[in-house]
Amino acid sequence: RKEVEQDPGPFNVPEGATVAFNCTYSNSASQSFFWYRQDCRKEPKLLMSVYSSGNEDGRFTAQLNRASQYISLLIRDSKLSDSATYLCVVNSLYSGGGADGLTFGKGTHLIIQP
Amino acid sequence: NAGVTQTPKFRVLKTGQSMTLLCAQDMNHEYMYWYRQDPGMGLRLIHYSVGEGTTAKGEVPDGYNVSRLKKQNFLLGLESAAPSQTSVYFCASRTDRGGSYNEQFFGPGTRLTVL
Repeated sequence: RKEVEQDPGPFNVPEGATVAFNCTYSNSASQSFFWYRQDCRKEPKLLMSVYSSGNEDGRFTAQLNRASQYISLLIRDSKLSDSATYLCVVNSLYSGGGADGLTFGKGTHLIIQP
Repeated sequence: NAGVTQTPKFRVLKTGQSMTLLCAQDMNHEYMYWYRQDPGMGLRLIHYSVGEGTTAKGEVPDGYNVSRLKKQNFLLGLESAAPSQTSVYFCASRTDRGGSYNEQFFGPGTRLTVL
């Protein structure tokens, strides 16, 4: 079973719509969770961390369900500039991912259409 | 601040050739990482370093070597390039101060093709 799984998409969404992505992770010992954004042929950049109580940053809302090992990202009032690939990232001890054990999902591709 | 920079941006190699990718950061970060990203795959960690003079293997280290002689630089070497090493290589760095996790900052990537 892959450690971090995401629907690769693409999600084609009209401008102004609300879109939600999901991600599941396999390591129940995972401690920290993030969404990164990657534009075409660019480097990944941190979009937001995901906290147990849920958190919001402008039009973006992230949720974590530890019992189901499930992370979500909701984008409201989507803009053309939101078109990108969204990477689900999990920080786990002993995952072999390095000093802080980051494991990246393959990403969900989002296309916002005018 | 330039952040994280990578040299070169693009490179084409023939099978068996060697090369070194350079990563430099000006943020005084302790931790540095080398990832590769292939189509349809997530980023996979090749090697990492927790400080000057230290290196460790990640998920896919075979065929690569690294060195961290200076805190600001992290070099990735391919001794004998193979077509399977065709990929986009990203370097990242982060500080070790403040909390259980600190954001990793990525360089712009190096696109390597091995013929």
